[in-house]
Amino acid sequence: GESVGLHLPTLSVQEGDNSIINCAYSNSASDYFIWYKQESGKGPQFIIDIRSNMDKRQGQRVTVLLNKTVKHLSLQIAATQPGDSAVYFCAEHGSSNTGKLIFGQGTTLQVKP
Amino acid sequence: DTAVSQTPKYLVTQMGNDKSIKCEQNLGHDTMYWYKQDSKKFLKIMFSYNNKELIINETVPNRFSPKSPDKAHLNLHINSLELGDSAVYFCASSRRPSGPPDTQYFGPGTRLTVL
Repeated sequence: GESVGLHLPTLSVQEGDNSIINCAYSNSASDYFIWYKQESGKGPQFIIDIRSNMDKRQGQRVTVLLNKTVKHLSLQIAATQPGDSAVYFCAEHGSSNTGKLIFGQGTTLQVKP
Repeated sequence: DTAVSQTPKYLVTQMGNDKSIKCEQNLGHDTMYWYKQDSKKFLKIMFSYNNKELIINETVPNRFSPKSPDKAHLNLHINSLELGDSAVYFCASSRRPSGPPDTQYFGPGTRLTVL
């Protein structure tokens, strides 16, 4: 079946450290992956995306790595700040033309001052 | 200016009632979605409309009926509410549903509590 999952439900890091949030997906035909950040009481907010023809994509303080061989996705946050505390979701877009995204369970990132 | 807005933000109601949640986007997008987020934060798509046409209809009870009066609005009507309908409902929009996938932008959510 379709599933996208994250390895750890909660990740606690010290302010200033780098954070790595992992995600495993099951559909090898998925062509697009997105990371969303959801702060308490708010809707998911787009962070960064990557298409399946890429291995790495960098944004401002964030990097997404895609390993299609093992169907693994990761989000790296450099110099983690208190404002990064949130739930992070990976999502995959399958091969359909409907725009349907399948979300993982989410990882809660806690940043300790 | 809010890109994707939803009303109400909170909705508390009794079992058996009928309620509606409204969504509007001012991004000029063609596609809108409804997602349900359960108590464990799991997000699952329910419906998607492209320019007022239904394109995704997941296995959702037919008590849930989306309605799109125009491409900027997608409302969700729920009949005969049940306890299990309690969740946070998110509306989202994107430029297009097909071709290269496009970023979906989410609204702030509507927390529905059924008593």
